[in-house]
Amino acid sequence: NAGVTQTPKFQVLKTGQSMTLQCAQDMNHEYMSWYRQDPGMGLRLIHYSVGAGITDQGEVPNGYNVSRSTTEDFPLRLLSAAPSQTSVYFCASRRTGAHGYTFGSGTRLTVV
Amino acid sequence: LAKTTQPISMDSYEGQEVNITCSHNNIATNDYITWYQQFPSQGPRFIIQGYKTKVTNEVASLFIPADRKSSTLSLPRVSLSDTAVYYCLVGEESGYSTLTFGKGTMLLVSP
Repeated sequence: NAGVTQTPKFQVLKTGQSMTLQCAQDMNHEYMSWYRQDPGMGLRLIHYSVGAGITDQGEVPNGYNVSRSTTEDFPLRLLSAAPSQTSVYFCASRRTGAHGYTFGSGTRLTVV
Repeated sequence: LAKTTQPISMDSYEGQEVNITCSHNNIATNDYITWYQQFPSQGPRFIIQGYKTKVTNEVASLFIPADRKSSTLSLPRVSLSDTAVYYCLVGEESGYSTLTFGKGTMLLVSP
């Protein structure tokens, strides 16, 4: 039982490049979400999913796309990276009715 | 979503009890109060959750007064390893609610 796995742990992109941050969980959790955390800030919700095939926007969705084709995976796509997207990205999941969310260890993204 | 207010930072010494209070004046009837802990370069970790009165687990206690407009996370006998950011969140426990994190409270434990 690996929990929530995020890859890669570190990434440097050039402005305009696209990439996908991977998130996988092996706990059969229905709910998954993506957050970004900037220095000295709390976490801000980007997108979330309540189950396979269902996604919705969070607080800061612009510049990001998501899809949820399986229960296990919830990738986050950066369409055209911008320096403002330099941040640490966290994926989280939760089983309906459970206390608390399980977070991944994060992906540190730098856009130059 | 109910907004929360908590101190930006707190200092303590090893072995002391630390109480972090969170204000949530517009908490809704269906909302629960949840606390997370975050160490540098790690994702947040669930600590405790409660609805009213007192909840205790092996890590912490959560005190919630009758009006539920505030809550207090109590960490008994802190150690250096308790140095972290602590977040108070308010939202529905069940269903598909989203989490709203504030800036949290940076707890620094000194020897």
